[in-house]
Amino acid sequence: GNSVTQMEGPVTLSEEAFLTINCTYTATGYPSLFWYVQYPGEGLQLLLKATKADDKGSNKGFEATYRKETTSFHLEKGSVQVSDSAVYFCALSSYSGAGSYQLTFGKGTKLSVIP
Amino acid sequence: GAGVSQTPSNKVTEKGKYVELRCDPISGHTALYWYRQSLGQGPEFLIYFQGTGAADDSGLPNDRFFAVRPEGSVSTLKIQRTERGDSAVYLCASSPPNSGVAGELFFGEGSRLTVL
Repeated sequence: GNSVTQMEGPVTLSEEAFLTINCTYTATGYPSLFWYVQYPGEGLQLLLKATKADDKGSNKGFEATYRKETTSFHLEKGSVQVSDSAVYFCALSSYSGAGSYQLTFGKGTKLSVIP
Repeated sequence: GAGVSQTPSNKVTEKGKYVELRCDPISGHTALYWYRQSLGQGPEFLIYFQGTGAADDSGLPNDRFFAVRPEGSVSTLKIQRTERGDSAVYLCASSPPNSGVAGELFFGEGSRLTVL
């Protein structure tokens, strides 16, 4: 079955540091890949996505590239801010075979950015 | 505009009791999903509705769990004879028509269920 593995946290960085959160996946077929973010007290929201190999998703200074050869979708940001403190979830979407496109999530990585 | 609304935000109940969790999706979104997030884990799929029908209920853990969406909008997740292992945050998400495999899901803030 499908699965997503992401680096365990928590991750603590100083403001303006470089961020990488690793994500690898196992899936049949051609999934779409996502990063969702959950800020404190809020619901999950889409951060970025990529739908095919070599696509790069980007948003709010975050980037991730769909690497089919390494089955990876690592999240990066060049300079983090305190406001980026949140829990980040890597996810893949594929057809379930039972009528829906299901998201399969990783366990989440908690990021804390300190001034 | 209103997002996905879930009520209650917190529910504490005793083992063996019946619980209902409500989800009000974004207006016009035909697809509705329920996920469950246990402590330290990512969300796990429970059930998917397209309109009024449950198109995919393969994620429901057992027959104590049931969900309805009678008018194609609001959905209720029902849990009978609750067990301590049911304690989790129950997330609802919706998406617009024809979203497909790359479609964004819009999540509510969740209902935190604690079974004592």
